[in-house]
Amino acid sequence: DAGVIQSPRHEVTEMGQEVTLRCKPISGHDYLFWYRQTMMRGLELLIYFNNNVPIDDSGMPEDRFSAKMPNASFSTLKIQPSEPRDSAVYFCATRPGFGDEKLFFGSGTQLSVL
Amino acid sequence: GENVEQHPSTLSVQEGDSAVIKCTYSDSASNYFPWYKQELGKRPQLIIDIRSNVGEKKDQRIAVTLNKTAKHFSLHITETQPEDSAVYFCAASPGYNQGGKLIFGQGTELSVKP
Repeated sequence: DAGVIQSPRHEVTEMGQEVTLRCKPISGHDYLFWYRQTMMRGLELLIYFNNNVPIDDSGMPEDRFSAKMPNASFSTLKIQPSEPRDSAVYFCATRPGFGDEKLFFGSGTQLSVL
Repeated sequence: GENVEQHPSTLSVQEGDSAVIKCTYSDSASNYFPWYKQELGKRPQLIIDIRSNVGEKKDQRIAVTLNKTAKHFSLHITETQPEDSAVYFCAASPGYNQGGKLIFGQGTELSVKP
């Protein structure tokens, strides 16, 4: 398996633009998590899905952020409109399911909002 | 919700010395405690984990201890090598009734000087 695949690896955009981050989970993994990493706040959990259903979005900073998982093979995290304070590395991570809590991270998307 | 505190934030040791990183957690229902290593520009990767029914676990030069009564757990690295230099994160999982999400500590930047 190729692991968790994220795209793009780097994204540079201007304030006010829409940004869409993409994630392809490991096949067969039931849980998908979106984390944001910054120096100040560390690794923050934004939202997670179980079997494509959003379970907990309490970490989503504000209404500008939204996430979807239309099927078991794909998830998106969208920021609209983007702001400079959204600059961070965004990680997607997945794990198999009940009885196996090991989390596998994607390579991350480095987002810079100018 | 769960809160994980990690200390120290930075740690510098001489090659061959031991390194210890400590974490505390707040939710007594948490039952899974992994440690992740993140090299510069890379994704976090699992290095060792422990469950609440075990007090200690060892894997070559790495060991983790857990004290459920005091709600703290520690990572021990012996005979450190320059390639151990990285940021280490502890995490706690509140368990399956909360979806098994991982809450991370703030990270410890370990520097091993040759």
